[in-house]
Amino acid sequence: EAEVAQSPRYKITEKSQAVAFWCDPISGHATLYWYRQILGQGPELLVQFQDESVVDDSQLPKDRFSAERLKGVDSTLKIQPAELGDSAMYLCASSAGTGVNTGELFFGEGSRLTVL
Amino acid sequence: AQSVTQPDIHITVSEGASLELRCNYSYGATPYLFWYVQSPGQGLQLLLKYFSGDTLVQGIKGFEAEFKRSQSSFNLRKPSVHWSDAAEYFCAVGAGYSSASKIIFGSGTRLSIRP
Repeated sequence: EAEVAQSPRYKITEKSQAVAFWCDPISGHATLYWYRQILGQGPELLVQFQDESVVDDSQLPKDRFSAERLKGVDSTLKIQPAELGDSAMYLCASSAGTGVNTGELFFGEGSRLTVL
Repeated sequence: AQSVTQPDIHITVSEGASLELRCNYSYGATPYLFWYVQSPGQGLQLLLKYFSGDTLVQGIKGFEAEFKRSQSSFNLRKPSVHWSDAAEYFCAVGAGYSSASKIIFGSGTRLSIRP
């Protein structure tokens, strides 16, 4: 069964360091999402791609976060510099179509970040 | 903008008992509604979704949910829970037809099962 792949699963870093997460969506899925999930809360959308274009990054802290999906396939989310408040699970998801009427987001297992 | 509220942070039920998890949404038109489940340390899995039509929708693992427009609710139910149902459950609401539409998640309800 096709899955969304994410790496690394766990990352521990010190504040002010740079960190990067990688996501490979299900093959053929045009829409890719990065969510941040703070412990005890629901996922919060950071950025949404349609193919290689950003369609929503309104909640992405652009002073320190960046995301790209250069060839419209896999994606990288970067944080530089990391802050203590960035400790969270970073979830990648993909969907087959455009918009919420696709019905289902397929999530990866997430990358858990701890900033010391 | 759409929003979703899950009023129960943590619920404990006995194995074999019935379950109802509450979800209330806010959106000006008919929303798309979803329930996802998350096991510890894992990503989220879709249980069921409502787009239109029959307001009682069936999902995987024996779950169902009922859309009630008058109450702005989409509560999740299961007639008899199993120990394996212990997990975090998220209600989500989506809106819009364009590629810029997005899905917003509630804060979740943690379900514990009493043996």
